Amino acid sequence: DAKTTQPTSMDCAEGRAANLPCNHSTISGNEYVYWYRQIHSQGPQYIIHGLKNNETNEMASLIITEDRKSSTLILPHATLRDTAVYYCIVRVANYRSGQGNLIFGKGTKLSVKP
Amino acid sequence: NAGVTQTPKFQVLKTGQSMTLQCAQDMNHEYMSWYRQDPGMGLRLIHYSVGAGITDQGEVPNGYNVSRSTTEDFPLRLLSAAPSQTSVYFCASSSPGRNEQFFGPGTRLTVL
Repeated sequence: DAKTTQPTSMDCAEGRAANLPCNHSTISGNEYVYWYRQIHSQGPQYIIHGLKNNETNEMASLIITEDRKSSTLILPHATLRDTAVYYCIVRVANYRSGQGNLIFGKGTKLSVKP
Repeated sequence: NAGVTQTPKFQVLKTGQSMTLQCAQDMNHEYMSWYRQDPGMGLRLIHYSVGAGITDQGEVPNGYNVSRSTTEDFPLRLLSAAPSQTSVYFCASSSPGRNEQFFGPGTRLTVL
């Protein structure tokens, strides 16, 4: 089972920041928080990941609480093309073992509206 | 690089037929995996491989077989298709030095 809890759906106005929350209260010390998104019926796309520090890249920012039990993905200026299902996943960063597999939940369907 | 490629894009089978979904990557990734996605659901892991000659089961392996004879290819075999296997199948790959997995475009399978 997925180790995360996300809202089923969210709306965001175009040009505004989209803040997507994720709860992962049982996260282990060696597990990272990963975010992927799936646009329409395409294959999922990696967005960002972090361990305990806040992270930022060209796509988004990731804010992880100090106790690491929750996080927020921030899309600073959402566009219509950001409409997608967003998945929050916790995993160890080791593909050499089964622990590194991505286990997907149902994610949050983000709708960006004009 | 072509990335992760999957063939065919669409397939219709009759119950009991067998077929192989092809997945290939040209990034020299050791790790490859297969997922299925049913309507309105997240992806579920079927099988994965951490290198040539090594495969293991995921969450929903029943009804599917895999093998990994080369680094590049990771085919998924349905031995006797059932309507419950109607789904979209995604293949993905990665390497130990990378954090992201790269997903293919998917194969849409319908079993009648």
